[in-house]
Amino acid sequence: NAGVTQTPKFQVLKTGQSMTLQCAQDMNHEYMSWYRQDPGMGLRLIHYSVGAGITDQGEVPNGYNVSRSTTEDFPLRLLSAAPSQTSVYFCASWDGAFGNTEAFFGQGTRLTVV
Amino acid sequence: TQLLEQSPQFLSIQEGENLTVYCNSSSVFSSLQWYRQEPGEGPVLLVTVVTGGEVKKLKRLTFQFGDARKDSSLHITAAQPGDTGLYLCRLSDNFNKFYFGSGTKLNVKP
Repeated sequence: NAGVTQTPKFQVLKTGQSMTLQCAQDMNHEYMSWYRQDPGMGLRLIHYSVGAGITDQGEVPNGYNVSRSTTEDFPLRLLSAAPSQTSVYFCASWDGAFGNTEAFFGQGTRLTVV
Repeated sequence: TQLLEQSPQFLSIQEGENLTVYCNSSSVFSSLQWYRQEPGEGPVLLVTVVTGGEVKKLKRLTFQFGDARKDSSLHITAAQPGDTGLYLCRLSDNFNKFYFGSGTKLNVKP
């Protein structure tokens, strides 16, 4: 059972480059989210999705796009990378709208923008 | 908007000591979760508390949900080096958004 899979694990980009962080889950979860985690800090919500075809913005959406064409996949696109986007990115999925359902996380993508 | 405040931000203690970390919000929430994150990994769920005043125990960890459902605490008895990690609380704003607190980074020294 793979759970939540993120690729790549590490990435270095030059300022202005674009790229897509991949996230896939095999648990048939409706809810998926992207978070970023800066050193020594908690997770900040970038974008989230409550089902295929439905996405919305979180706390820090600027500079990122998402789409949800299938239940399984929720890619995060950086349009024009900036050094301020250097961070560790986590994708999470869970089943249901209630706050008492467990969120499952990928192992993260460590992104450095130079 | 920071919905959740966690304290302390950092905690470094010796093995065998007790500690308490806190998660506070200005809003009432229906449930709250505690997660632990180890370096290089994603957070993993420890517990969910739902009812005001609820107390849950997980071995040496005791979780409490405030009576007014605006705060929660995590108490660790006789901390061990294996407890080292980042402790995060998580809640929903009831509009499909799920937020994490800023976390408490715990280091337990042998």
